[in-house]
Amino acid sequence: ETGVTQTPRHLVMGMTNKKSLKCEQHLGHNAMYWYKQSAKKPLELMFVYSLEERVENNSVPSRFSPECPNSSHLFLHLHTLQPEDSALYLCASSHRMTVGGEQYFGPGTRLTVT
Amino acid sequence: GIQVEQSPPDLILQEGANSTLRCNFSDSVNNLQWFHQNPWGQLINLFYIPSGTKQNGRLSATTVATERYSLLYISSSQTTDSGVYFCAGGYGGATNKLIFGTGTLLAVQP
Repeated sequence: ETGVTQTPRHLVMGMTNKKSLKCEQHLGHNAMYWYKQSAKKPLELMFVYSLEERVENNSVPSRFSPECPNSSHLFLHLHTLQPEDSALYLCASSHRMTVGGEQYFGPGTRLTVT
Repeated sequence: GIQVEQSPPDLILQEGANSTLRCNFSDSVNNLQWFHQNPWGQLINLFYIPSGTKQNGRLSATTVATERYSLLYISSSQTTDSGVYFCAGGYGGATNKLIFGTGTLLAVQP
């Protein structure tokens, strides 16, 4: 599936580093999402952007800062992370709809915080 | 919020066997998807099926919206079917938030 791409695919960072995850969708969608998948836990929604406006933030710590400059790109800026933030971070996109809206996922960034 | 329960949590099959995976929802949903997560973490869309029945090759899915459950059928399983199967549901709307189940880990042995 090349409709949603994510870079980097793997990232190792120290707790004092600052890094950014990038997501790009080529499906003509206008809503984008960040999900977190920790070991032995279900995927959790972190942020939703619809028409470039953040519409959902599930009480995510401020050390995660999203940015959606346009409907095709989504970033997740990371700073002063904790080891428990190590996880697979997945980006998704969909059409913004009043009902339904199939989501398509990127390949994910596997993040390790040391 | 919606609670999503998947069963069974683990399943081991011999190649060629059939299986049924189940997903129960605590509330009605407007968006229901089945995914297969491969060993590299990629979530592959299998079905978008808020209601009704769909088939794609050896896979098919049925959602009975009024009874808040969905079933994924895998027939003539192959080793490449191994991985984790997730269902996810949501209300759609402005946030289109998906709530994921904990998944079914499927291992197909040759």
